[in-house]
Amino acid sequence: QKEVEQNSGPLSVPEGAIASLNCTYSDRGSQSFFWYRQYSGKSPELIMFIYSNGDKEDGRFTAQLNKASQYVSLLIRDSQPSDSATYLCAVNRGGFKTIFGAGTRLFVKA
Amino acid sequence: GAVVSQHPSWVICKSGTSVKIECRSLDFQATTMFWYRQFPKQSLMLMATSNEGSKATYEQGVEKDKFLINHASLTLSTLTVTSAHPEDSSFYICSARRASQGFEQYFGPGTRLTVT
Repeated sequence: QKEVEQNSGPLSVPEGAIASLNCTYSDRGSQSFFWYRQYSGKSPELIMFIYSNGDKEDGRFTAQLNKASQYVSLLIRDSQPSDSATYLCAVNRGGFKTIFGAGTRLFVKA
Repeated sequence: GAVVSQHPSWVICKSGTSVKIECRSLDFQATTMFWYRQFPKQSLMLMATSNEGSKATYEQGVEKDKFLINHASLTLSTLTVTSAHPEDSSFYICSARRASQGFEQYFGPGTRLTVT
């Protein structure tokens, strides 16, 4: 079992729709959870982080965390073609190393 | 903000030569810096973790004598690829974690290395 699992996609959604990206993790001691966006040929960019159960909203992005289910998700409202990228879920237990998932490719159709 | 720079952004070198890549946190102090490698259409691969003033911790399978990491200050880490070979051609990305924050990592723009 991978430490951080994501569906590789591609996830295809029409422009204006809600994109839902999911991530599960195996370490119950995980404390910090992150979502990064990576455009092709570029480095990852931090877009959200969440530490507590529940929802955290920032603009069009909402991160959702459920520690009991070991599940974290990212919702993108009003998806735009410019949101097309690979989204990386990352998890930290409280130590030096953050574990990254392999990423989900999102394609937003105009 | 939390800005991390890398230099150079791309480099071409001949097989057998060494290449140094610099990573700087521009507006914050970084307790820990990380070096990753990413091949086309593949996942990020952590190479090593470095703390200021300490020896880097390398991931299994990463040759410490080939990939030399120096974390000389709270704002600068360098990766030197020694005796580079074509199979070392890749996208090298550093990231930094703030001294005063949680565990968020901020990535540099990456360095594309091509070894001919």
